Amino acid sequence: SAVISQKPSRDICQRGTSLTIQCQVDSQVTMMFWYRQQPGQSLTLIATANQGSEATYESGFVIDKFPISRPNLTFSTLTVSNMSPEDSSIYLCSVAKGQGVLGNTIYFGEGSWLTVV
Amino acid sequence: DQQVKQNSPSLSVQEGRISILNCDYTNSMFDYFLWYKKYPAEGPTFLISISSIKDKNEDGRFTVFLNKSAKHLSLHIVPSQPGDSAVYFCAASASGGVDKIIFGKGTRLHILP
Repeated sequence: SAVISQKPSRDICQRGTSLTIQCQVDSQVTMMFWYRQQPGQSLTLIATANQGSEATYESGFVIDKFPISRPNLTFSTLTVSNMSPEDSSIYLCSVAKGQGVLGNTIYFGEGSWLTVV
Repeated sequence: DQQVKQNSPSLSVQEGRISILNCDYTNSMFDYFLWYKKYPAEGPTFLISISSIKDKNEDGRFTVFLNKSAKHLSLHIVPSQPGDSAVYFCAASASGGVDKIIFGKGTRLHILP
């Protein structure tokens, strides 16, 4: 498994501001991801954080709104820019670790609960 | 288009009995399946996984069954304990888990005393 620490764990943000969430992993990992879970919804992949290159975004998510950094193999940040109430969500950092022939398993951090007012 | 479906938003089970959580998928390319458990205000915790080369995987009280022809999997928890009360997410991926993982909407399990 992996120990994943996220900061902040929760925050109340003003509309129009931006907030950066930090994710620290206790070991080097190749694959890091950012998910969000809006109230009553499933976990939705925002992007794959690629070390040394630009993140790969899923449909419906863009770099201008969710800039991501991945300076090394143990750390990543996600910024939620120009926030609106619709961005109120839990944002989750996750990493993939191989299970041998069974495939990769995703492990999650504790999440960052953002409320935009 | 929901590729991973958990049609029961909630389920109540008596303590000590079996809990069965169901999941259906539509993408025939999926070949790796996972179950996660989530408590409020915490991140999801990996429970158990199964590759499409198997039809059953067991880990303690948790067993996952895969029916590829029906594109259906289920998680059995025996015996159910109070600490099992949580939201359970089914997830699936293609390419042996190398591809992105798609989650269902979750089923909230209540274990009754």
